[in-house]
Amino acid sequence: EAGVVQSPRYKIIEKKQPVAFWCNPISGHNTLYWYLQNLGQGPELLIRYENEEAVDDSQLPKDRFSAERLKGVDSTLKIQPAELGDSAVYLCASSLGAGGSGANVLTFGAGSRLTVL
Amino acid sequence: SQKIEQNSEALNIQEGKTATLTCNYTNYSPAYLQWYRQDPGRGPVFLLLIRENEKEKRKERLKVTFDTTLKQSLFHITASQPADSATYLCALDPFGGYALNFGKGTSLLVTP
Repeated sequence: EAGVVQSPRYKIIEKKQPVAFWCNPISGHNTLYWYLQNLGQGPELLIRYENEEAVDDSQLPKDRFSAERLKGVDSTLKIQPAELGDSAVYLCASSLGAGGSGANVLTFGAGSRLTVL
Repeated sequence: SQKIEQNSEALNIQEGKTATLTCNYTNYSPAYLQWYRQDPGRGPVFLLLIRENEKEKRKERLKVTFDTTLKQSLFHITASQPADSATYLCALDPFGGYALNFGKGTSLLVTP
């Protein structure tokens, strides 16, 4: 079974340019997450989807970041325009579901490393 | 505010010894706590989950303890090997079944 697939793995852009990252979660996983990871830090949640609905986007900088999960499967995270401080790894993760008393184990993709020059 | 604290300094140990990593948290009442491993250039990989009513959990050479009074979890790797070298992340679900919050991670280096 394929894991969480992300692309591109690496992206180098000039500041003020747009960039987009794509994620295909594990089949059957209804919950999808985008996390940001800076060097030497743990992942920080940007947005969480339950199927196609963004149920937690409180940490997403909405002035320049946007995300979508139109059919409740794959997802795209966009930054426009990119700033120097956006250089980081963008991780996508998925899980079977959230809520209730069940534990929520995340499966991560390899990440997309962004460098803004 | 909620905080998850892990050893900020890297842990260097000799092969064969037991590695012990610490995770302390504040302002959480977690139903469970998770540990993940992350290798350079890769995403975190789930290792173990321990629930609030469990004191200890084992998986092969891994052992996790969870003390909700001390608000602390300890992660042990016994008979450590160079292949265990990685960053280990502690993660908490603040509400039960929602997104995980992660600590900064502790880097472990096991030398032959």
